[in-house]
Amino acid sequence: AQSVTQPDIHITVSEGASLELRCNYSYGATPYLFWYVQSPGQGLQLLLKYFSGDTLVQGIKGFEAEFKRSQSSFNLRKPSVHWSDAAEYFCAVGALNQGGKLIFGQGTELSVKP
Amino acid sequence: NAGVMQNPRHLVRRRGQEARLRCSPMKGHSHVYWYRQLPEEGLKFMVYLQKENIIDESGMPKERFSAEFPKEGPSILRIQQVVRGDSAAYFCASSPNRGHSGNTIYFGEGSWLTVV
Repeated sequence: AQSVTQPDIHITVSEGASLELRCNYSYGATPYLFWYVQSPGQGLQLLLKYFSGDTLVQGIKGFEAEFKRSQSSFNLRKPSVHWSDAAEYFCAVGALNQGGKLIFGQGTELSVKP
Repeated sequence: NAGVMQNPRHLVRRRGQEARLRCSPMKGHSHVYWYRQLPEEGLKFMVYLQKENIIDESGMPKERFSAEFPKEGPSILRIQQVVRGDSAAYFCASSPNRGHSGNTIYFGEGSWLTVV
């Protein structure tokens, strides 16, 4: 079955600390992978995406993610978290022939301590 | 370039009423997707439309829900005879076409439906 798992429901980090949000997927086709961020009461903003090529992708707001095919993972990282990064983060997977039909994980809520 | 526009942002309906949610895609985008986010859950795909065509409705509940994207005007997600379980955030997204760029979808701000 196709699925996306974000093992951590809620993570708290201190401002300035590094961050890694985990994402594992199960998908039959060659996956296209995405990370979105959602602030309370708002829509989803695309942080970064992976289609092919370099497995380390850079996104907006200083985020990056690494695609590891052998581990079926696409973890999101940021070297130094800012208070404004507090939000919900969603990992999603799709495929070329599926257009924008994506499967989303349950989300990881990030809290940032001063 | 305006983003994906959804309205209303918030909608309250009594059980049994109809809810209509509208979505105007980004300029130049011809593909529209509707997703539903139930409380404490991730987004679930509902339906994929192009102008005047439903491409994939595999995520739509079999009854009471319908969607359209007419030749002129916004896409409409219609929920008839709403029940409390329909309370959720409904997100519209759009993309320009198929292929790599078609896989990148851009979301609107969402429409929050509350059924009382």
